[in-house]
Amino acid sequence: QKEVEQDPGPLSVPEGAIVSLNCTYSNSAFQYFMWYRQYSRKGPELLMYTYSSGNKEDGRFTAQVDKSSKYISLFIRDSQPSDSATYLCAMSANSGGSNYKLTFGKGTLLTVNP
Amino acid sequence: DVKVTQSSRYLVKRTGEKVFLECVQDMDHENMFWYRQDPGLGLRLIYFSYDVKMKEKGDIPEGYSVSREKKERFSLILESASTNQTSMYLCASSSTDPLWLFFGEGSRLTVL
Repeated sequence: QKEVEQDPGPLSVPEGAIVSLNCTYSNSAFQYFMWYRQYSRKGPELLMYTYSSGNKEDGRFTAQVDKSSKYISLFIRDSQPSDSATYLCAMSANSGGSNYKLTFGKGTLLTVNP
Repeated sequence: DVKVTQSSRYLVKRTGEKVFLECVQDMDHENMFWYRQDPGLGLRLIYFSYDVKMKEKGDIPEGYSVSREKKERFSLILESASTNQTSMYLCASSSTDPLWLFFGEGSRLTVL
């Protein structure tokens, strides 16, 4: 079983739709959960960062972590064409020291159509 | 704004050539990383460094080496490039929170 699984898509939605992006994971030691957004021909950039379970909201974006189900989600409300990008989930058991490791999902390609 | 600059956006090299990929960050970050990104395989960590002259192997270090002589600069070296090293290479840096990565724009390497 892969450590982190993410549906690669592609996902195509109309402007204004609510988008749900998801990852599942197998390592119960993961405590730190992130979403990175990567525009075409650019490097990824950090979008959301959460610790342990619960929700975190930032504008139109909500990150949700359910550790009991080993499932994380990113919701985008009122999606815009500028949200078209690849979204990568990432997670780690540790946040410091030389032995930490960040494990990425393979990314979901999202297109928001005007 | 944090800036991570990769010296070359696009490179074409021949099999067996030695390849240097340079990365410079301007925010005095302790940690620097080299990833490669391939369709269907995602981001894979090659090497990282948490201090000058320190390096740690990532998940796929074979065929690569790194150098960090100055805090702001982290170089990836392909001693003898092979076609299976054709990929997008991404450099990243982070400060006290090593999980908050700032990425460069990537270097797309083609090995013929």
